[in-house]
Amino acid sequence: DSGVTQTPKHLITATGQRVTLRCSPRSGDLSVYWYQQSLDQGLQFLIQYYNGEERAKGNILERFSAQQFPDLHSELNLSSLELGDSALYFCASSVAAGGAYNEQFFGPGTRLTVL
Amino acid sequence: AQTVTQSQPEMSVQEAETVTLSCTYDTSENNYYLFWYKQPPSRQMILVIRQEAYKQQNATENRFSVNFQKAAKSFSLKISDSQLGDTAMYFCAFMKFYSGGGADGLTFGKGTHLIIQP
Repeated sequence: DSGVTQTPKHLITATGQRVTLRCSPRSGDLSVYWYQQSLDQGLQFLIQYYNGEERAKGNILERFSAQQFPDLHSELNLSSLELGDSALYFCASSVAAGGAYNEQFFGPGTRLTVL
Repeated sequence: AQTVTQSQPEMSVQEAETVTLSCTYDTSENNYYLFWYKQPPSRQMILVIRQEAYKQQNATENRFSVNFQKAAKSFSLKISDSQLGDTAMYFCAFMKFYSGGGADGLTFGKGTHLIIQP
């Protein structure tokens, strides 16, 4: 158990819908990362937040957005869902934003299925 | 942008054998870390080993060691005395960091599916 929690574990929805994935980082971690793992794209970095502010952006689609709240939990919002958005979405957390090495601890993931 | 290439989609070895997984990367950056992550059937991402690019000494963690060739941009993982529990997907990953603070997210390779046969 990494200490990072993600809810829900599984999510099944239809094309065109909007969903919200939630992540609670390890106690004391200020940085949250979101990753997508799909058969087509593999594992790819989406976005990073540090203490409530966006710090780095990867291959995140415009239909996707994220935020980190004052209690440091983060939400990833996916809208206008397409079949290709079906994937395992990971959240990871670390103590700081980077620089000197800070290990990223991964949550168990949320499995999203778009029908 | 960085790229990470794992050329072996799948490998299979007998228990107790030694196996080496290959990884090459392409970057023009100087400040970065390299990692190997393990993803067993449970799908949990587990850090196996990391290497700081500025360190010449190869990292080791018990049965796991790396061969880091910076000039060749090569970063292979050696697993000694392989065990059934080592069966998993293994991902090589790259992370750029900024000397003033901050880092990019991880860039992953496509992965190698390692099967340890009894």
